[in-house]
Amino acid sequence: EIVLTQSPGTLSLSPGERATLSCRASQSVNSNFLAWYQHIPGQAPRLLIYGASSRATGIPDRFSGSGSGTDFTLTISRLEPEDFALYYCQQYGNSPIYTFGQGTKLEIK
Amino acid sequence: EVQLVESGGDLVKPGGSLRLACAASGFIFSNAWMSWVRQAPGKGLEWVGRIKSKANGETIDYAAPVKGRFTISRDDSRNTVYLQMNSLKTEDTGIYYCTTGWYFDLWGRGTLVTVSS
Repeated sequence: EIVLTQSPGTLSLSPGERATLSCRASQSVNSNFLAWYQHIPGQAPRLLIYGASSRATGIPDRFSGSGSGTDFTLTISRLEPEDFALYYCQQYGNSPIYTFGQGTKLEIK
Repeated sequence: EVQLVESGGDLVKPGGSLRLACAASGFIFSNAWMSWVRQAPGKGLEWVGRIKSKANGETIDYAAPVKGRFTISRDDSRNTVYLQMNSLKTEDTGIYYCTTGWYFDLWGRGTLVTVSS
């Protein structure tokens, strides 16, 4: 089973700054089948990125994904107040088991 | 409107059973792969299990912590997927979400399951 490790655990930034979130896999993710989700407690999680770098429908272009193999990154180019939330990476390439990272909390500094 | 609505969450004693349902609308449910994902209090997201579409053999897979205790099924005539949970443990407490797809592009708002004596 692939283990995904996200860093940092908590990221404290101000609106307007750039956020860089990391997700490292214990083994190569098949075909870069890696997704990123945003979760605000009390709401449904939201898909941001799939296939490591493709933005989901309706996601602003300040969100971008990159990486391959075992190292992946979610970048938010300029933080808006509504971006402060929890972020999870997930691999869906090594079926049948899907795994999530433990999450990164993006908080206002 | 494209949406998923979970129901059935409740307070149940350890060793008890509960069945959750997830009603889908706004898309062709019979073509969709459906998963359940949960979040324990203070913890991250955890995949529980998935059922493929009939066209893909309705194959079902489970995460190790729930295998043998939980059963996923679907009723395409009702656009509904179910999660039957037996032999519940305190660590099964959490919000249970249903979601669609290979990567999870649509989510419900979740239903709360509390396992406590």
